[in-house]
Amino acid sequence: SQTIHQWPATLVQPVGSPLSLECTVEGTSNPNLYWYRQAAGRGLQLLFYSVGIGQISSEVPQNLSASRPQDRQFILSSKKLLLSDSGFYLCAWSEGTGGYGNNSPLHFGNGTRLTVT
Amino acid sequence: GDSVTQMEGPVTLSEEAFLTINCTYTATGYPSLFWYVQYPGEGLQLLLKATKADDKGSNKGFEATYRKETTSFHLEKGSVQVSDSAVYFCALSDTYLPGGGNKLTFGTGTQLKVEL
Repeated sequence: SQTIHQWPATLVQPVGSPLSLECTVEGTSNPNLYWYRQAAGRGLQLLFYSVGIGQISSEVPQNLSASRPQDRQFILSSKKLLLSDSGFYLCAWSEGTGGYGNNSPLHFGNGTRLTVT
Repeated sequence: GDSVTQMEGPVTLSEEAFLTINCTYTATGYPSLFWYVQYPGEGLQLLLKATKADDKGSNKGFEATYRKETTSFHLEKGSVQVSDSAVYFCALSDTYLPGGGNKLTFGTGTQLKVEL
């Protein structure tokens, strides 16, 4: 069966410090990968998605970046954190199709609670 | 663009009460519809889904029917338990991302509290 791992679970970082959140998926090949952010009291916002190694698309301009160095690894980074980067970050995967999406559900990790102080 | 509207919470019920959480959507095509549940401090778990009109998704006693004529996907459960306390998100998938993948549009979530 497929599993998704996300770490760390919680993180407290000062303003201006770097960030690296990691997500790995097991039990599937060539998945589509996603980073979402959930701000307090709000819904989920898609930040980045990837359909293959080295292929990253950004949905919103921001202080963050993403990378996919391996097929089942997805990393969210920042060189200098802002207070507004605080939130709950969720990694997710869906079945890859090699072409257009097939409305497959997304499967989420347990999230990382980031607090920037 | 696509959007999902959910009833605002929190919804507070007594154990064994009937649950309805309303969800309506706006989409240009023929979306798939999903309900996700988020327990405190955790990520989102897929609860159920429906991929075409009149489909009924069901899981763990929860049900939702894809109503194209009313653009709705209301979540129901006949008898809630304290363990059902969580935040419930309605979502749709209608937009294919360039190069593959599907973009889910989420509602803002509805918090459910079930008391003894």
